[in-house]
Amino acid sequence: QVQLQESGPGLVKTSQTLSLTCSVSGGSISSGSFYWSWIRQLPGKGLEWIGYIFYSGDTYYNPSLKSRVTISIDTSKSQFSLRLSSVTAADTAVYYCARDLTGYTSGLAYNWFDPWGQGTLVIVSS
Amino acid sequence: SSELTQDPAVSVALGQTVRITCQGDSLRNYYATWYQQKPGQAPILVFYGKNNRPSGIPDRFSASTSRSTASLTITGAQAEDEADYYCSSRDNTGNQVLFGGGTKLTVL
Repeated sequence: QVQLQESGPGLVKTSQTLSLTCSVSGGSISSGSFYWSWIRQLPGKGLEWIGYIFYSGDTYYNPSLKSRVTISIDTSKSQFSLRLSSVTAADTAVYYCARDLTGYTSGLAYNWFDPWGQGTLVIVSS
Repeated sequence: SSELTQDPAVSVALGQTVRITCQGDSLRNYYATWYQQKPGQAPILVFYGKNNRPSGIPDRFSASTSRSTASLTITGAQAEDEADYYCSSRDNTGNQVLFGGGTKLTVL
């Protein structure tokens, strides 16, 4: 079964760039059936979708973060990555990667994230 | 609107039925997806689409949609169902993913 694992520094200095990688195992990252997403959760808060990437490299980002976010994919390594620039303490969060699937029933679409990585806490501090 | 709205907290007596709701304009065009999150853990998928429950999720979890409101129903709530529940859907452009603010379920 597909498993995802986040990796990267747990501490980033203010104004620098946060960089995380998600390693995908047990399945192909190059499947045209999935998107690959990053999601974060600020301490004690809800979930916030950051953006996704397709195996082709097509991306879409949350407009609220778009100016600072880059998501890339390396199919040869079965990894996709997140870069978030100019970070502040407000970017301190648990960052998750997840597989993003889409389905259709009775004329309506739906998407779901499954599986998720275990999450990695990134603290932004000066 | 590009938001999904959930009640912050709901409680239910052990063994009783509880409904967790999610409101948003996007739900007229997209089914909601529901996630359960327990403290210190990653969210897990509990229901998606019109009628899809992942393997391993008890059949006491069900979901429905009416106009711009989606509901997750737990019939016969158990102590282990105490958790935060999040709804999610695409926005009306189909490009973004929205999350509700989450509902904290307490089983009394």
